[in-house]
Amino acid sequence: AQSVAQPEDQVNVAEGNPLTVKCTYSVSGNPYLFWYVQYPNRGLQFLLKYITGDNLVKGSYGFEAEFNKSQTSFHLKKPSALVSDSALYFCAVPSGGSYIPTFGRGTSLIVHP
Amino acid sequence: DAGVIQSPRHEVTEMGQEVTLRCKPISGHDYLFWYRQTMMRGLELLIYFNNNVPIDDSGMPEDRFSAKMPNASFSTLKIQPSEPRDSAVYFCASSYQRDFFSETQYFGPGTRLLVL
Repeated sequence: AQSVAQPEDQVNVAEGNPLTVKCTYSVSGNPYLFWYVQYPNRGLQFLLKYITGDNLVKGSYGFEAEFNKSQTSFHLKKPSALVSDSALYFCAVPSGGSYIPTFGRGTSLIVHP
Repeated sequence: DAGVIQSPRHEVTEMGQEVTLRCKPISGHDYLFWYRQTMMRGLELLIYFNNNVPIDDSGMPEDRFSAKMPNASFSTLKIQPSEPRDSAVYFCASSYQRDFFSETQYFGPGTRLLVL
């Protein structure tokens, strides 16, 4: 079965510091991997996706994610965190054999001033 | 465009009552999705429509849940009778294509439901 795991429920980082939100995957074949962000009282917003090609994917709001096949990871990164980046972040993968999305449990990112 | 519109934004009801959640998709979008978000189960797809026709309702938890889309600009998700375990945030999303992972899928702000 296709799945993703987000090992951290919460990540705390100081404003201006680099941030990493972790995601590991378990898929058969070539993985399609995605990141979404959910701001307070809002629906999910697409951030970026990996289909094929470069392992470093650039997305919205200055975020990027690095696909690492040997570690089966797709960590979300940003060089310099902003307080406004504080939100809930979801990693996602299509379920095997269907189009039903499987989301990670989400990681709450808190950026301190 | 105002984006995906959901109403009400908050709903508090008592167990056994009927609850109706409403969604207006973005004009021109031909797919509409209903999701449920809880702390325990995360984000789940409940059902989706294409051109007002329900395509896959395998995510609907049980017969107490029903969804309709009478026209291209309106959909409802109904829970009858409601139970405390139905408490969650319910999201509606719409898109041009059956692509759950496209940047063209737009989510509404959600309806926060509390069943007492």
